[in-house]
Amino acid sequence: SAVISQKPSRDICQRGTSLTIQCQVDSQVTMMFWYRQQPGQSLTLIATANQGSEATYESGFVIDKFPISRPNLTFSTLTVSNMSPEDSSIYLCSVDTNTGELFFGEGSRLTVL
Amino acid sequence: GDSVTQMEGPVTLSEEAFLTINCTYTATGYPSLFWYVQYPGEGLQLLLKATKADDKGSNKGFEATYRKETTSFHLEKGSVQVSDSAVYFCALTDSSASKIIFGSGTRLSIRP
Repeated sequence: SAVISQKPSRDICQRGTSLTIQCQVDSQVTMMFWYRQQPGQSLTLIATANQGSEATYESGFVIDKFPISRPNLTFSTLTVSNMSPEDSSIYLCSVDTNTGELFFGEGSRLTVL
Repeated sequence: GDSVTQMEGPVTLSEEAFLTINCTYTATGYPSLFWYVQYPGEGLQLLLKATKADDKGSNKGFEATYRKETTSFHLEKGSVQVSDSAVYFCALTDSSASKIIFGSGTRLSIRP
């Protein structure tokens, strides 16, 4: 298993600003994933972040809008850039511990005014 | 591409009722199948999984059987409790097994 801590747990931001979300895992993992869960919706994968390589983005998501860092095997950040109200969502970090099972953080609830 | 279709909610049942939440999938190859649960105010957690055809995953009284012939993975519980109120997500690994694809989620509410 894995224990995942995300910060901040929630934030209210102004349009046009950027916010960086941190994800810390209590063990070393190869694959980390960032998901978005819009209000009342399912989870949509934003990108896969592997240590030592560029993140791989899903269709509809670009690095300029959602830059990701993965400096080591226990930590990653996701930045939501130049925010608009449409970016209001819960952003979730998850990891695969090579068991085929994803473990999730509790999410970062972002509200953009 | 690979996808998951699950029963739309919300579903409201009385305590001790029988529960079925339908889930069907489209995939190339042989994906692993999952049910995740999201309790109010909490993150997602794995409820059960099955990795090959005819496998039955079970946990906390919930069961789901991997049916390749009908491409289904329906979630069932014989007697639900108020504490089962949550959002349930069906999911699968994609054909490359590099990521998990989620269904739209089904909100379940149980009346005392």
